[in-house]
Amino acid sequence: DGGITQSPKYLFRKEGQNVTLSCEQNLNHDAMYWYRQDPGQGLRLIYYSQIVNDFQKGDIAEGYSVSREKKESFPLTVTSAQKNPTAFYLCASSMAGTVRGYTFGSGTRLTVV
Amino acid sequence: GESVGLHLPTLSVQEGDNSIINCAYSNSASDYFIWYKQESGKGPQFIIDIRSNMDKRQGQRVTVLLNKTVKHLSLQIAATQPGDSAVYFCAENRIGGADGLTFGKGTHLIIQP
Repeated sequence: DGGITQSPKYLFRKEGQNVTLSCEQNLNHDAMYWYRQDPGQGLRLIYYSQIVNDFQKGDIAEGYSVSREKKESFPLTVTSAQKNPTAFYLCASSMAGTVRGYTFGSGTRLTVV
Repeated sequence: GESVGLHLPTLSVQEGDNSIINCAYSNSASDYFIWYKQESGKGPQFIIDIRSNMDKRQGQRVTVLLNKTVKHLSLQIAATQPGDSAVYFCAENRIGGADGLTFGKGTHLIIQP
């Protein structure tokens, strides 16, 4: 079955630590996105990538980094520079050049301990 | 800032009644709108979409209405069931918007028995 997989489902980070969230898709989608969701809030765009080896900052990129070395993978690193990283992180993918909606992963809940 | 928003953070309805969830958008350049359903701890799921050249679109038990004059989008759910309990988001895609969809803050639909 085609889909988009995020791992881990739950992640705990100590102060000053970098952590990486995984996002893998086998839908042959060109575009991939990372969103952050806080309680009672909508989804805010962190980074997006329309093609391999290229990515752009979204609305809240500070304290985050990404890579897009493969079409299937778009990992997100939450760095120590992100002062308030506790949130629910969602990865999505879509066909580039279309206006169809996304396919979302099931999310990773990151908590600072 | 966000260009898509919702009127109510929470909506409570009786089981079997019809639900109407509203969304206001401010970007008149948007050409495509989507409604997503998000259950607790999961990623959003596509419900229904509509292009800006349409006023109404129907799916199974759901109808989306688009009023471009007042920049208003609504989702109607017929005969609401317990399984409809979730947070509902509207999203817009702006013409030429390479950064994908912009999401509203969401409405939590609560089903009363």
